[in-house]
Amino acid sequence: SYVLTQPPSVSVAPGQTARITCGGNNIGSKSVHWYQQKPGQAPVLVVYDDSDRPSGIPERFSGSNSGNTATLTISRVEAGDEADYYCQVWDSSSDHPLVFGGGTKLTVL
Amino acid sequence: EVQLVESGGGLVQPGRSLRLSCAASGFTFDDYAMHWVRQAPGKGLEWVSGISWNSGSIGYADSVKGRFTISRDNAKNSLYLQMNSLRAEDTALYYCAKCGRRFLESAFDIWGQGTMVTVSS
Repeated sequence: SYVLTQPPSVSVAPGQTARITCGGNNIGSKSVHWYQQKPGQAPVLVVYDDSDRPSGIPERFSGSNSGNTATLTISRVEAGDEADYYCQVWDSSSDHPLVFGGGTKLTVL
Repeated sequence: EVQLVESGGGLVQPGRSLRLSCAASGFTFDDYAMHWVRQAPGKGLEWVSGISWNSGSIGYADSVKGRFTISRDNAKNSLYLQMNSLRAEDTALYYCAKCGRRFLESAFDIWGQGTMVTVSS
């Protein structure tokens, strides 16, 4: 089945920009979705279809996708952004079509 | 308010069965695909199964294929997961998740709070 690779952890100081990557074979040809999960809470969709934001998600959250890497970018990082972030795609060619990345722990220093 | 409420979790012995339910409210249930996603303690998210708006398309993860069955009752605004031949590795928090569109491949815009399933003797 399709594999998505995320770095286990990313650290950033408040006010700086965090970039979380999601690697996959020709991932640029697929739609990538990103979820934020804080401890003890259900995941929340923060970016869908590579770069669209659901209503209520700050403009500080943005996404891009090209080649073999998709990226979630969080600008002007705040303490409240500290969470686990997961990328997700649908691979229609696979018997196991829906895949999540392993997750990235964002730490705000 | 858009809401998903899971139920049916609990402690079950290996090899036994369990049926999870997800009650939806605050939106037109039969307009959207629905999925089950699980998370083992301290681990990441794992997709389990999904069903399109009219039950015409269904998918399963390799790890549950042949053991789990997803279904929905649009008249009751409910999603179900029948889990048979349970194994210790099925122990997880099971989330119900709503897609943004009718078909399986769209993003999950609403999640429930989850129901815990523990498989142990």
